[in-house]
Amino acid sequence: GAGVSQSPSNKVTEKGKDVELRCDPISGHTALYWYRQSLGQGLEFLIYFQGNSAPDKSGLPSDRFSAERTGGSVSTLTIQRTQQEDSAVYLCASSANRGSRETQYFGPGTRLLVL
Amino acid sequence: QQPVQSPQAVILREGEDAVINCSSSKALYSVHWYRQKHGEAPVFLMILLKGGEQKGHEKISASFNEKKQQSSLYLTASQLSYSGTYFCGTGQGGAQKLVFGQGTRLTINP
Repeated sequence: GAGVSQSPSNKVTEKGKDVELRCDPISGHTALYWYRQSLGQGLEFLIYFQGNSAPDKSGLPSDRFSAERTGGSVSTLTIQRTQQEDSAVYLCASSANRGSRETQYFGPGTRLLVL
Repeated sequence: QQPVQSPQAVILREGEDAVINCSSSKALYSVHWYRQKHGEAPVFLMILLKGGEQKGHEKISASFNEKKQQSSLYLTASQLSYSGTYFCGTGQGGAQKLVFGQGTRLTINP
């Protein structure tokens, strides 16, 4: 695709429910990153994929958070038993190759509100 | 280790210059600069690589002092469209990910 897309753009859920957030990276990009941005804050790294593997999951805040990537393309971030502190914007980015020397292109994000 | 950005916020008049700094306590392999407008995705501006390579944006420049582990973003003759929050993302050591600063909020007034 022309750019990184994410869905849904907004999600309101009740505390305790599970949510799934989707990311479609730029076609051909092998690396995919998930970040979380709380109101007025910076970008907090969650997890990174190279192909379908996740070499770095160090940013996932708890075992309620998980992510997968299939076919080297689409990725899904799942939050189980959501809590109010999970409310944030979840951003996905992709880059042509892995590594901190590669430009990351961001999607528009999913705004999650947990009531 | 999260890099430190300064200033946290700056207000300018159109046409004035701005400098945003990004400082790390760890050795840096790369520094990426992004601008984010309210409610939108971060937009790539520039990447500076260890060894001096730079890929940039017209009218916006940056420097990277590898020894001091610092980078500065220079916005000259600022335009209203430059308003937003600027983030630096740093590549540290052999890590494949970026660690972002807390952001610098830039407001340009007419």
